[in-house]
Amino acid sequence: KNEVEQSPQNLTAQEGEFITINCSYSVGISALHWLQQHPGGGIVSLFMLSSGKKKHGRLIATINIQEKHSSLHITASHPRDSAVYICAATKTSYDKVIFGPGTSLSVIP
Amino acid sequence: EPEVTQTPSHQVTQMGQEVILRCVPISNHLYFYWYRQILGQKVEFLVSFYNNEISEKSEIFDDQFSVERPDGSNFTLKIRSTKLEDSAMYFCASGGTQAYFGAGTRLSVL
Repeated sequence: KNEVEQSPQNLTAQEGEFITINCSYSVGISALHWLQQHPGGGIVSLFMLSSGKKKHGRLIATINIQEKHSSLHITASHPRDSAVYICAATKTSYDKVIFGPGTSLSVIP
Repeated sequence: EPEVTQTPSHQVTQMGQEVILRCVPISNHLYFYWYRQILGQKVEFLVSFYNNEISEKSEIFDDQFSVERPDGSNFTLKIRSTKLEDSAMYFCASGGTQAYFGAGTRLSVL
């Protein structure tokens, strides 16, 4: 069983829509990461959080430690948001990152 | 913004050849990692490195693989006798609680 799961696997949205990607994990963690991967492959770290909520521009990440669940929201989506969004976790500080399977997002003009 | 640099961006090799993938981590970081992503699959952990030695490795990281920090700035992944199934994107990362990833090296084994 994967330690980090995501849903949906694929998501298509119209430009301007509010998007939510969900992540659940089955292990104790020190931090939960949201990453973005564009075609061509490079990985960019969007958020690292261990509690509560973080916001950066149109992106919002939340985490519920008790329920072992996190969400990534994109407000006013744009075609340039099209990418694979990956949820990942670290169990302890300085530990390896455990990756989820990714959610492929396509935003259509 | 500090960044992790990987070279080359794309490496093409013949099956059975040895390849060395290079990474320059962020200068004050002490923890280094290699990950692999086979096309269409999720990113997988290969190895972590701290204090000039391997701190953890996955079952993927067998005797075909080795890592080295040859000069205090570079961090390399060597793959001996490459196989077709080694074709993947290889990511280097450094840091710890906040992981910084390189842009990756796409390895194509023909």
